[in-house]
Amino acid sequence: NAGVTQTPKFQVLKTGQSMTLQCAQDMNHEYMSWYRQDPGMGLRLIHYSVGAGITDQGEVPNGYNVSRSTTEDFPLRLLSAAPSQTSVYFCASSYSSLREQYFGPGTRLTVT
Amino acid sequence: GQQVMQIPQYQHVQEGEDFTTYCNSSTTLSNIQWYKQRPGGHPVFLIQLVKSGEVKKQKRLTFQFGEAKKNSSLHITATQTTDVGTYFCAGPLRYGNKLVFGAGTILRVKS
Repeated sequence: NAGVTQTPKFQVLKTGQSMTLQCAQDMNHEYMSWYRQDPGMGLRLIHYSVGAGITDQGEVPNGYNVSRSTTEDFPLRLLSAAPSQTSVYFCASSYSSLREQYFGPGTRLTVT
Repeated sequence: GQQVMQIPQYQHVQEGEDFTTYCNSSTTLSNIQWYKQRPGGHPVFLIQLVKSGEVKKQKRLTFQFGEAKKNSSLHITATQTTDVGTYFCAGPLRYGNKLVFGAGTILRVKS
């Protein structure tokens, strides 16, 4: 099993550009989520999904879109990148929010 | 804002000293989870506590869940350099579907 994979590992964007961060898991987990990590702020929940076709907002959803068309994939879209979105992004999956979360290796995003 | 608060933000200890991080929630939690993130790495699950007043041990690590299920602590006895990293607590909110993390405690160990 590959576990949770994220691509790309690093990305530099200019303000206003859009992009999609990819996340995939091969553990047949229903629950998937996206977090951003900033110094002193810990992990903040952006969006989450409890199954294919179902998504909901987390603590900091503005500027991000998600969709969940399959159990395996949960992409995160930045609509119009801003410097405030410079961060490390982690995708996680689990059987539910009540169970152990498996994190991907992260994507380090810089917006200039 | 975050509904799961964690203190302290940083702790710098001498190797062999003990370390404790505390986690507090504004609402009752169905469970509390603890994670460790090594520098440059991703969070890795340590343990989950479910019952009121529960205490669990993993070698030098002791985890507690408060009686009211609103607070938790992680205590490390006789820290080692391998304990370096950030420790996070996390709790499911909104009827259990929204897993929210504390801001984390960064542990540095001087040898």
